[in-house]
Amino acid sequence: GQQVMQIPQYQHVQEGEDFTTYCNSSTTLSNIQWYKQRPGGHPVFLIQLVKSGEVKKQKRLTFQFGEAKKNSSLHITATQTTDVGTYFCACPSAGFKTIFGAGTRLFVKA
Amino acid sequence: GAGVSQSPRYKVAKRGQDVALRCDPISGHVSLFWYQQALGQGPEFLTYFQNEAQLDKSGLPSDRFFAERPEGSVSTLKIQRTQQEDSAVYLCASSLARQEAETQYFGPGTRLLVL
Repeated sequence: GQQVMQIPQYQHVQEGEDFTTYCNSSTTLSNIQWYKQRPGGHPVFLIQLVKSGEVKKQKRLTFQFGEAKKNSSLHITATQTTDVGTYFCACPSAGFKTIFGAGTRLFVKA
Repeated sequence: GAGVSQSPRYKVAKRGQDVALRCDPISGHVSLFWYQQALGQGPEFLTYFQNEAQLDKSGLPSDRFFAERPEGSVSTLKIQRTQQEDSAVYLCASSLARQEAETQYFGPGTRLLVL
């Protein structure tokens, strides 16, 4: 079946450093979504990418969808302590299923 | 308006007990999803409803798991004869419609611990 891999599993950064998480699907995607989950919280929608090669920005966050629509990345510039949490990619699958990556947990040291 | 709510927030069950977890989606949302999230993992799909119809239950791990949404709003996930491996956070999410790539709005989850 479809596999969704997300790396790295963890990332420790100093406040002000950049951060990137990568998501790879074994199959071509019609779209991809990104969610953030704060410690003890629930996933919150960040963005959706649909077009091949699409790049979207939200303040310090930059999201990219690969040309082949099988991979995506989330880059945070100059991390802040408020960026702490786990970032998940979410990929549509067969039927009505959504497959979430295992997530990248971001730790930011002030 | 109100978001997705779930109850109870925490549930401790003895192995073998039955449990029922409730989800109140955002009013008017057609789609409803249930996920299971183990510690340190991403949400894992369990089942999907479009209004009252359960259109996908491919993620339910065993026949001990049963979900319903009889009137197309509130949904209940029932786990019979709970086992220790059922311990996890159960998340409910709703979305406005089932179109390609609808935003899913998650509830706070029910944390289930089976002893």
